[in-house]
Amino acid sequence: DVKVTQSSRYLVKRTGEKVFLECVQDMDHENMFWYRQDPGLGLRLIYFSYDVKMKEKGDIPEGYSVSREKKERFSLILESASTNQTSMYLCASSSSKYGYTFGSGTRLTVV
Amino acid sequence: QQPVQSPQAVILREGEDAVINCSSSKALYSVHWYRQKHGEAPVFLMILLKGGEQKGHDKISASFNEKKQQSSLYLTASQLSYSGTYFCGTGRVSGNTPLVFGKGTRLSVIA
Repeated sequence: DVKVTQSSRYLVKRTGEKVFLECVQDMDHENMFWYRQDPGLGLRLIYFSYDVKMKEKGDIPEGYSVSREKKERFSLILESASTNQTSMYLCASSSSKYGYTFGSGTRLTVV
Repeated sequence: QQPVQSPQAVILREGEDAVINCSSSKALYSVHWYRQKHGEAPVFLMILLKGGEQKGHDKISASFNEKKQQSSLYLTASQLSYSGTYFCGTGRVSGNTPLVFGKGTRLSVIA
């Protein structure tokens, strides 16, 4: 069964901390994405990657960075967490012509 | 640019039908539909590609009118299990472009 695994379901971090959100897929997909989901706003794209060591900014990249050192792993980094980054973070992967497979999400609270 | 979904929310009784619309101001190459149940990851339902096709998936089907830049999701004889939030995701060119998601339509099916 196809899987995208996000390392944490819930996280609570303090303002100013550096936060790492990990995502691993076992489908050998080229494409991986990070979205954040907020009530009433839907899913908004933060960063995406089409290949190892490749990354592209999405619609709301400010305050975030990413790393893709291996094909199966795509990490989202909050350089200095702020309260406005409290959100649900969803990782997804896909091959070029098919639908996305999403992870279960990480609900991050920054206090 | 984010596609516009309508309605924002709908309540149905079991057995009733519903239509959810997704419109874009930009030319589209593909439209994806996803359903997300409360507390879970979005799940891929179907993809429609440029060419005006219609697809079916049990009692859930969808159409894509590329000239009008819109897609509709049809749910017939709704079941309690159809409850959730439905998102459309639009792709503007072929191949690897990340989807832009609408804000979602919350569907509640009651007995």
